[in-house]
Amino acid sequence: AQSVTQLDSHVSVSEGTPVLLRCNYSSSYSPSLFWYVQHPNKGLQLLLKYTSAATLVKGINGFEAEFKKSETSFHLTKPSAHMSDAAEYFCVVSDRRNFNKFYFGSGTKLNVKP
Amino acid sequence: DSGVTQTPKHLITATGQRVTLRCSPRSGDLSVYWYQQSLDQGLQFLIQYYNGEERAKGNILERFSAQQFPDLHSELNLSSLELGDSALYFCASSSGTPRGTDTQYFGPGTRLTVL
Repeated sequence: AQSVTQLDSHVSVSEGTPVLLRCNYSSSYSPSLFWYVQHPNKGLQLLLKYTSAATLVKGINGFEAEFKKSETSFHLTKPSAHMSDAAEYFCVVSDRRNFNKFYFGSGTKLNVKP
Repeated sequence: DSGVTQTPKHLITATGQRVTLRCSPRSGDLSVYWYQQSLDQGLQFLIQYYNGEERAKGNILERFSAQQFPDLHSELNLSSLELGDSALYFCASSSGTPRGTDTQYFGPGTRLTVL
């Protein structure tokens, strides 16, 4: 069975400092992994996705994530936080063998302090 | 812009009423998903359709129903509304490929307020 655990429900950083949002997954097969961002009262926007090509995936707005199979992790990082990064972030895993059923993490709210 | 459209953007109604939310998927996408997002429950998967057929069911109440039409748009019907049904309702679409990578794209949502 697939599952996703986002290890922090809230993360707070200062503007200009690095961002790390942690995600661990459970999958019995090589998964597809995604990060979505949701700004207040908006829909979810795809940030990046891993599909078994390069393990380091670059996304929009300077975000990237690294797939580490040995650690079953797919952490999201950004070198320097911007105020506009304040939002909720969702990690998602899909089972590519099983009609691509999607499993969502519970979300991490990122607060960026000036 | 994801290419997924949802109408209406906002809906205010009273308890006991029935409403219909509409979703048009991205061009070429065969799969449609419905989600409910509320402050206390977070993001909950409700139901998925693929090319007109129900493919997966999540935490969808019996008072709720959905369907996908031949032109691939989908409607979510909510009846006997309760205060607790107030939430953001999202639609997402994907190509629906059964194997290999598939990606969901989300619409802007419909905010439902039940008074």
